[in-house]
Amino acid sequence: GQNIDQPTEMTATEGAIVQINCTYQTSGFNGLFWYQQHAGEAPTFLSYNVLDGLEEKGRFSSFLSRSKGYSYLLLKELQMKDSASYLCAVETGGSYIPTFGRGTSLIVHP
Amino acid sequence: DAGVTQSPTHLIKTRGQQVTLRCSPKSGHDTVSWYQQALGQGPQFIFQYYEEEERQRGNFPDRFSGHQFPNYSSELNVNALLLGDSALYLCASSPGQLHSGNTIYFGEGSWLTVV
Repeated sequence: GQNIDQPTEMTATEGAIVQINCTYQTSGFNGLFWYQQHAGEAPTFLSYNVLDGLEEKGRFSSFLSRSKGYSYLLLKELQMKDSASYLCAVETGGSYIPTFGRGTSLIVHP
Repeated sequence: DAGVTQSPTHLIKTRGQQVTLRCSPKSGHDTVSWYQQALGQGPQFIFQYYEEEERQRGNFPDRFSGHQFPNYSSELNVNALLLGDSALYLCASSPGQLHSGNTIYFGEGSWLTVV
């Protein structure tokens, strides 16, 4: 089976930087997704990492360490609109169906 | 370019009843997946349809069934509803070929409440 762990909730201040961690245990790991989900809305794609290292995309960056079973999503220059749930999802070879963690609820306050 | 559309957006059913949820995939996509998202949880994979057949299935009972039509739209049916079936049901679409990093696009979901 798969085990994906992320913090339940985090708070941060507008303009700051926040790092949301995700650890996983799985066989046949292929890659890792991050999705953003605002309350009452559909999840939207943020990033996909398959190789070790950091991938930057504007204010958002995602990091992967395959050997450690670890990833993080880094959000810079936080804005109020970044308040949302951030879902880590692991993709395994063969099925290519992502398995989601329970999500981290990020609250950005002024 | 229309995204993934789902209907209805909200519905209330009684225990033991049956429900049908509908989904139209994003233009150009031919694969539809269904997920169940309980409050405070991540989406849980129910099944995936491609070429009008169930291609993969998650750990859900047979009460959950589906269908895909020739125009790629899909239905999710749940029989003998239980209180625990109350959740947000998300439809996601993607291009047909299975490959690494195949981004799935979600619809807004259907909120089902079982009373």
